[in-house]
Amino acid sequence: GNSVTQMEGPVTLSEEAFLTINCTYTATGYPSLFWYVQYPGEGLQLLLKATKADDKGSNKGFEATYRKETTSFHLEKGSVQVSDSAVYFCALREHDYKLSFGAGTTVTVRA
Amino acid sequence: NAGVTQTPKFQVLKTGQSMTLQCAQDMNHNSMYWYRQDPGMGLRLIYYSASEGTTDKGEVPNGYNVSRLNKREFSLRLESAAPSQTSVYFCASSEMDRGYEQYFGPGTRLTVT
Repeated sequence: GNSVTQMEGPVTLSEEAFLTINCTYTATGYPSLFWYVQYPGEGLQLLLKATKADDKGSNKGFEATYRKETTSFHLEKGSVQVSDSAVYFCALREHDYKLSFGAGTTVTVRA
Repeated sequence: NAGVTQTPKFQVLKTGQSMTLQCAQDMNHNSMYWYRQDPGMGLRLIYYSASEGTTDKGEVPNGYNVSRLNKREFSLRLESAAPSQTSVYFCASSEMDRGYEQYFGPGTRLTVT
């Protein structure tokens, strides 16, 4: 079946540091890949997505590239802000409309 | 648009009590979902409804029932709450013409003592 593995957190960074959160997946076909973000006390919201190999999703300074050869979709941001403190979830969708989520990575950015 | 709304925001139950979590969406989406979120486990799908009139079990359906009341509303019922059901519950909805991007509600934090 489908599965998503994320790097474990928590991750603590200083403002303006570089952030990478690793995500790898297992799927039988060609899934669509997503990053969702959950700010404190809120529900999840879509951050970015990629629907085919070599696509790059980007939003709010975050980027992730769909790498089929390494089955990865790592999230990166070049200069984080305190407002980026949140839980980040990698997810995939394959044959139907259901999503499979990773365990989530908690990121805390210090001023 | 309110998006996806959930009630209540917080609830404390005693073991064996029952309750229903309510969810509504105003985006005219066909598909709706219930997840639970537990530390270190991400989100796990409890039940989903592909369209009005249909419901299916997800990954962790035991101890729960659902009702798709109409296109807007999808409720989750705990018939006899257990401490293992202490969790944060999220409702979501999606539509095919948006690539099935899921929109989430703010969540219900449930504690069973």
